Amino acid sequence: DTGVSQDPRHKITKRGQNVTFRCDPISEHNRLYWYRQTLGQGPEFLTYFQNEAQLEKSRLLSDRFSAERPKGSFSTLEIQRTEQGDSAMYLCASSWRQGNEQFFGPGTRLTVL
Amino acid sequence: AQSVTQPDIHITVSEGASLELRCNYSYGATPYLFWYVQSPGQGLQLLLKYFSGDTLVQGIKGFEAEFKRSQSSFNLRKPSVHWSDAAEYFCAVGQGGGYQKVTFGTGTKLQVIP
Repeated sequence: DTGVSQDPRHKITKRGQNVTFRCDPISEHNRLYWYRQTLGQGPEFLTYFQNEAQLEKSRLLSDRFSAERPKGSFSTLEIQRTEQGDSAMYLCASSWRQGNEQFFGPGTRLTVL
Repeated sequence: AQSVTQPDIHITVSEGASLELRCNYSYGATPYLFWYVQSPGQGLQLLLKYFSGDTLVQGIKGFEAEFKRSQSSFNLRKPSVHWSDAAEYFCAVGQGGGYQKVTFGTGTKLQVIP
């Protein structure tokens, strides 16, 4: 069990560019979550997958955001036409099907210039 | 809608002193409650969780928390703080069942002085 991994750990981009983040959950976990954390705040829920199905999306997830989990394993989060307000830490978590504990990855810190 | 309030933004304690971090939640049914710790630049690590049963929950690193339904609280405690405990602590509430949409508080930053 190597834990949840995220790539890249840091991303600096210019406003208007597209970025994509990857999350690899713990291998036996079929539930995957994305959160966003801004400075001085707790993580805020963005979206949730059970296997490859995206079952819930937060209102925080605007049309510029899209998440996929094509084979029910790793997931990607893409932000199109980035804005300075997108600067944040993006956290991924995974959990067991019947479990309630989420295991978090180290996060991807996005800076939009 | 579920919510969590952590009234203390910053807390400073001396090494070896006791610690209590406050957490109040709002949730219509029996909540699933968590405390996570986050060190600078790191992801979140689960300290402990409450789902049901004994209202005093033991966690890792010597932490414990007590669920008090009448006060809608889930305060985190440690009898003797170590310098390595300096971090940010988040209380969270979940919906339960097989799916967990977890709502986090805004966190309490703990500083430990020698």
